[in-house]
Amino acid sequence: KNEVEQSPQNLTAQEGEFITINCSYSVGISALHWLQQHPGGGIVSLFMLSSGKKKHGRLIATINIQEKHSSLHITASHPRDSAVYICAVSIGTYKYIFGTGTRLKVLA
Amino acid sequence: DTGVSQNPRHKITKRGQNVTFRCDPISEHNRLYWYRQTLGQGPEFLTYFQNEAQLEKSRLLSDRFSAERPKGSFSTLEIQRTEQGDSAMYLCASSPGRTAGYGYTFGSGTRLTVV
Repeated sequence: KNEVEQSPQNLTAQEGEFITINCSYSVGISALHWLQQHPGGGIVSLFMLSSGKKKHGRLIATINIQEKHSSLHITASHPRDSAVYICAVSIGTYKYIFGTGTRLKVLA
Repeated sequence: DTGVSQNPRHKITKRGQNVTFRCDPISEHNRLYWYRQTLGQGPEFLTYFQNEAQLEKSRLLSDRFSAERPKGSFSTLEIQRTEQGDSAMYLCASSPGRTAGYGYTFGSGTRLTVV
C-alpha cells in the first residue's frame, strides 16, 4: 500500500462542475502540498497546508490531521484546469512522498 | 529570478551513453532536490543537497547515477551507461530551507528517453 493515496485516479468533468480530489496518507507529516502538473511536465505548487483550510481563487484545499486526509476542491471548473493534480506530504524537514496523481479533464 | 531552471528540457540518447542534466535553483535557496517521475507515477525522491553537501541519496540512485552541487548553486545529475529503464522525467526542486515545505519550487523537468 502506498503511503500517499489519491482518488480518483482519473476524473472527467463538464465545465462549471464542482470537483473534489482526495488524498489520504498513512505517515506522520509536517506539511502537505497540492501540486499541479501540466502535460509539459512542469510542476506548480498550489497550496502548502499543515492545518485547516486555504483558498486561492477557485481552488480550496482542506486538511484533517487527525484523519490523515486532505481534499482539493475546484469550483466552477474550466477546461484550463485540465492537468494532473498531485498530493505530496513532507515527512521531515525536506523529503516529500508523492501520490500518483489525479488526471483531471474538464470538457467545454 | 525566474524560478528553478532545468536544462535540457528533452534528451534522447542511445542505450549505453552517458547523459548530464543541469538544475539552476532559485538563487537564495540553499536546498536542492532531484526527483524522478515515470509515466503515471508521482515523483520519487532521488537525492538532496544542503548547499554543496549531499545529505541523502535514495536507494533508487544506483552506482550509475551521480549528482553534484560543487559551489552550492547549480547542480548536475549524471547518468552513466544509460538503460531503457532510465527513461523518465527528472525533476529538480529547491527551497530556502526554513519551515518544511516553505517556498518549495519545482523546475519544468528534463524528459529523458533512452532508445
